[in-house]
Amino acid sequence: ELKVEQNPLFLSMQEGKNYTIYCNYSTTSDRLYWYRQDPGKSLESLFVLLSNGAVKQEGRLMASLDTKARLSTLHITAAVHDLSATYFCAVDQERFGNEKLTFGTGTRLTIIP
Amino acid sequence: NAGVTQTPKFQVLKTGQSMTLQCAQDMNHNSMYWYRQDPGMGLRLIYYSASEGTTDKGEVPNGYNVSRLNKREFSLRLESAAPSQTSVYFCASSELNTEAFFGQGTRLTVV
Repeated sequence: ELKVEQNPLFLSMQEGKNYTIYCNYSTTSDRLYWYRQDPGKSLESLFVLLSNGAVKQEGRLMASLDTKARLSTLHITAAVHDLSATYFCAVDQERFGNEKLTFGTGTRLTIIP
Repeated sequence: NAGVTQTPKFQVLKTGQSMTLQCAQDMNHNSMYWYRQDPGMGLRLIYYSASEGTTDKGEVPNGYNVSRLNKREFSLRLESAAPSQTSVYFCASSELNTEAFFGQGTRLTVV
């Protein structure tokens, strides 16, 4: 059974600081997704990583994928308050031959002024 | 551009009542999913449908049934609601190797 673990689960950081959220998964896959969720809202897609070594950047967020280590990171640069949200990684279960996402438990990020 | 539309947005049920959550997507996606979200547990897959006419169980299927009515619509039915099914339910759709698009969610309370 595929397990997806994120850490930390909670992160409180000051504006202007850098930090990294980690996503580890337990089985072979080269398709990983990052989502953002604001309180009481739906999930919004941030990044799609489809191969080993993939790196995507959008504004102050950068995501990378290392399929050999079964690890993805979401790096936050010079955090601003607007980035406060819960971030989820999700991994595709390749062996089923279709899209079947398994989500991590999420990282609740709070940016403090 | 509606994307994924879920109804209803909120629902309160009594234990033992039944109801159907509706989901429709207008992106011509083959795959559709139902997830539930509970505090501290991320999203857990209830059922999914890889294409019209097929459905498969996910991680937590007990107490639920689904119907892939056509390519656009994927419904989730609770035959006899239980308090343990109090949750926020999300429908999503996708194509292979692309991100899933989520509906706005249904907040269900079973009393």
